[in-house]
Amino acid sequence: QKEVEQNSGPLSVPEGAIASLNCTYSDRGSQSFFWYRQYSGKSPELIMSIYSNGDKEDGRFTAQLNKASQYVSLLIRDSQPSDSATYLCAVNTGSSNTGKLIFGQGTTLQVKP
Amino acid sequence: GAVVSQHPSWVICKSGTSVKIECRSLDFQATTMFWYRQFPKQSLMLMATSNEGSKATYEQGVEKDKFLINHASLTLSTLTVTSAHPEDSSFYICSARWTGQQYFGPGTRLTVT
Repeated sequence: QKEVEQNSGPLSVPEGAIASLNCTYSDRGSQSFFWYRQYSGKSPELIMSIYSNGDKEDGRFTAQLNKASQYVSLLIRDSQPSDSATYLCAVNTGSSNTGKLIFGQGTTLQVKP
Repeated sequence: GAVVSQHPSWVICKSGTSVKIECRSLDFQATTMFWYRQFPKQSLMLMATSNEGSKATYEQGVEKDKFLINHASLTLSTLTVTSAHPEDSSFYICSARWTGQQYFGPGTRLTVT
């Protein structure tokens, strides 16, 4: 079983819709969770971090964490064509100041005008 | 804040030669930096964790004698690919940890001919 799992997609949504990206992880002791956006040929860009159960909102983005289910998700409201990219879920194996990030394989999002 | 740079952004070298890639944290000090490799359509794979003033910690399967890492200061880590071969062609990305989050450099695309 992979440590961090994502559906590779592609996930296709129309412009203006809500895109829902999901991620599961295997290490129940994980404390820090991150969503990165990666455009083709570029390095990852941090979008959201979440550390406690529940929702965290930042603009059009909402991260959701459920530690009991070992599940983290990212919602993108009012999706725009510029949101088309690969979204990487990452889980930190230790505390926020130690450990290392384990990445999922990424979900490709396509937002169609 | 939290800007990480890499140099060069791309490099082409001949098989058997060595290539050095630099990773710098521009506006913060980073005790810990990380080196990743990403092949086309795959996720980021952690190669090693670089700690200032000490030896790097390599992930399983990564040859430490081939991928030399030096973290001589709090703002600079270098990765040297020794005796490069075509299979080493990849996108190499560094990151630096600051305030519990990892910030990524823009990446270096290495092509070995």
